[in-house]
Amino acid sequence: AQSVTQPDARVTVSEGASLQLRCKYSYSGTPYLFWYVQYPRQGLQLLLKYYSGDPVVQGVNGFEAEFSKSNSSFHLRKASVHWSDSAVYFCVLISNTNKVVFGTGTRLQVLP
Amino acid sequence: GPKVLQIPSHQIIDMGQMVTLNCDPVSNHLYFYWYKQILGQQMEFLVNFYNGKVMEKSKLFKDQFSVERPDGSYFTLKIQPTALEDSAVYFCASSFGRAQDTQYFGPGTRLLVL
Repeated sequence: AQSVTQPDARVTVSEGASLQLRCKYSYSGTPYLFWYVQYPRQGLQLLLKYYSGDPVVQGVNGFEAEFSKSNSSFHLRKASVHWSDSAVYFCVLISNTNKVVFGTGTRLQVLP
Repeated sequence: GPKVLQIPSHQIIDMGQMVTLNCDPVSNHLYFYWYKQILGQQMEFLVNFYNGKVMEKSKLFKDQFSVERPDGSYFTLKIQPTALEDSAVYFCASSFGRAQDTQYFGPGTRLLVL
């Protein structure tokens, strides 16, 4: 069975600091991996996605993520966070049979 | 970017009543989804829908749930009858291609069952 683990429920960083949000997955096949962001009272917005090719994928607003098959990970990074990045971030896996699995989310708080 | 609309934004009903949640997906999208998010908890997949049929559903998609998209209008989620545990935010999403394609999410409908 597929699963996604986001081990950090909450992350707090200061504005301008670097950021890494962790995501580990479990899936025997080749996963489609996504990072979505959810701002308060809004739907999810896609940050980036990965299926194949360069393991480092660039997304919107300066976000990037790195896929590691050996570590079964897809961590999200940003070099310098802004207060407006405060939101909940979801790592999502979609299997090649269209099964969608969300991580539990990481709530990011950026301190001014 | 493309927008998915959901109507209503909030709904309060009594347990046992029927409720219909409406989703206006991106106009050229072919695949449609419903997700459920209980306050403070994980987003959970309910169902996906393509070409007039349910393609896949999760264990959360109880017999009291049904979906349809008559004649290309709203994509609806109907719950009949509702139960207390149905209280949650329901998100609709749509994509042009299969689930692995980018899904665009609506802002959610907050359902409270009393």
